[in-house]
Amino acid sequence: GAVVSQHPSRVICKSGTSVKIECRSLDFQATTMFWYRQFPKQSLMLMATSNEGSKATYEQGVEKDKFLINHASLTLSTLTVTSAHPEDSSFYICSARDLWQGQETQYFGPGTRLLVL
Amino acid sequence: AQSVSQHNHHVILSEAASLELGCNYSYGGTVNLFWYVQYPGQHLQLLLKYFSGDPLVKGIKGFEAEFIKSKFSFNLRKPSVQWSDTAEYFCAVTYNAGNMLTFGGGTRLMVKP
Repeated sequence: GAVVSQHPSRVICKSGTSVKIECRSLDFQATTMFWYRQFPKQSLMLMATSNEGSKATYEQGVEKDKFLINHASLTLSTLTVTSAHPEDSSFYICSARDLWQGQETQYFGPGTRLLVL
Repeated sequence: AQSVSQHNHHVILSEAASLELGCNYSYGGTVNLFWYVQYPGQHLQLLLKYFSGDPLVKGIKGFEAEFIKSKFSFNLRKPSVQWSDTAEYFCAVTYNAGNMLTFGGGTRLMVKP
């Protein structure tokens, strides 16, 4: 399957700082990437859809000014958690959409664990 | 609202037992269906997917799933589980050729050696 990477895998930061998380599709181009949060023992919650060359689409309840998304190229999307607070501590997962032979499939990155002190 | 239900939250099996994990989705038009697996400490991996054609889909590691349109179901099966199948399994659906995945709540499978 297609490979998606995320960097960093873990980050600890102080409250009030900003954290940038990168999501890369390594062996395919992705016009669309997705950002999720996964809370302990829960399923994934879609935060936003990242579209290459245009603004991201945010799900209801997700603050676009707090979670800045940039999709500057076909292989890279970034999520910046601005002015992070302890309640932002979570596991953030990205996925990239691969369109192969007319079949759209999302491939997931390994996730980034964020801890805000 | 479109939704996906996985009724089994936790399943415990002994090795060599057969597995069936339920997945039901709400009606919302045409669907594409997926099963993902998340092994402990690892990221989500695609097990199998259904887009069209034969409703019995075979995936990796001996897993298969059957799309039953009349029951809005896409249950995952494996005839004989192994300890290494211990993981969390997620059913997911896209509707009407959209690109947004709707996930089920996940099923944690523990296989006892």
